[in-house]
Amino acid sequence: RKEVEQDPGPFNVPEGATVAFNCTYSNSASQSFFWYRQDCRKEPKLLMSVYSSGNEDGRFTAQLNRASQYISLLIRDSKLSDSATYLCVVNRNFNKFYFGSGTKLNVKP
Amino acid sequence: EAGVTQFPSHSVIEKGQTVTLRCDPISGHDNLYWYRRVMGKEIKFLLHFVKESKQDESGMPNNRFLAERTGGTYSTLKVQPAELEDSGVYFCASSSRTGITGELFFGEGSRLTVL
Repeated sequence: RKEVEQDPGPFNVPEGATVAFNCTYSNSASQSFFWYRQDCRKEPKLLMSVYSSGNEDGRFTAQLNRASQYISLLIRDSKLSDSATYLCVVNRNFNKFYFGSGTKLNVKP
Repeated sequence: EAGVTQFPSHSVIEKGQTVTLRCDPISGHDNLYWYRRVMGKEIKFLLHFVKESKQDESGMPNNRFLAERTGGTYSTLKVQPAELEDSGVYFCASSSRTGITGELFFGEGSRLTVL
């Protein structure tokens, strides 16, 4: 079973839409959680960390449900520039980062 | 400040040949990681250096892969002899401290094609 599972998409949404991605992780010993963004043929970049209490950064909201081993990312008022692949990343044993295969988002005009 | 740099950006070699990938982390970052993404699959951990020491190399696929980080600065990843299944994008990442912060800074990757 994969450490981190994501719906690969693509999610095709119009500008201004709200879109949500989900991610599940298999190991309950996972310690910290993140969303990374990867543009086509570019390197992954940290978008935001995910905290148990939920956290928000502008149009982006991340949630963590440890009981269900589930992480989510909500993007409000989608922009064309949000088009990218969103990687769910889980950390265990301090320096072992496990990546999901990514969810592709296409925001259309 | 310069980010993580990797060289070459793309390498095309034949099966059985040797390739050496280089990574220069952000200056002052003790932690250096190598990851690999094979087409259609998720990014997978290969190994982790803290300064010049291998902290964890459990992700290295086999003994055809050798990573070094002499002097705790740049790192090299050598594949010898290369096989078809080694094709993919090799990412290097660095971070300033050990822990669970998740702030990995990635290079743009070295795309390896083995024919």
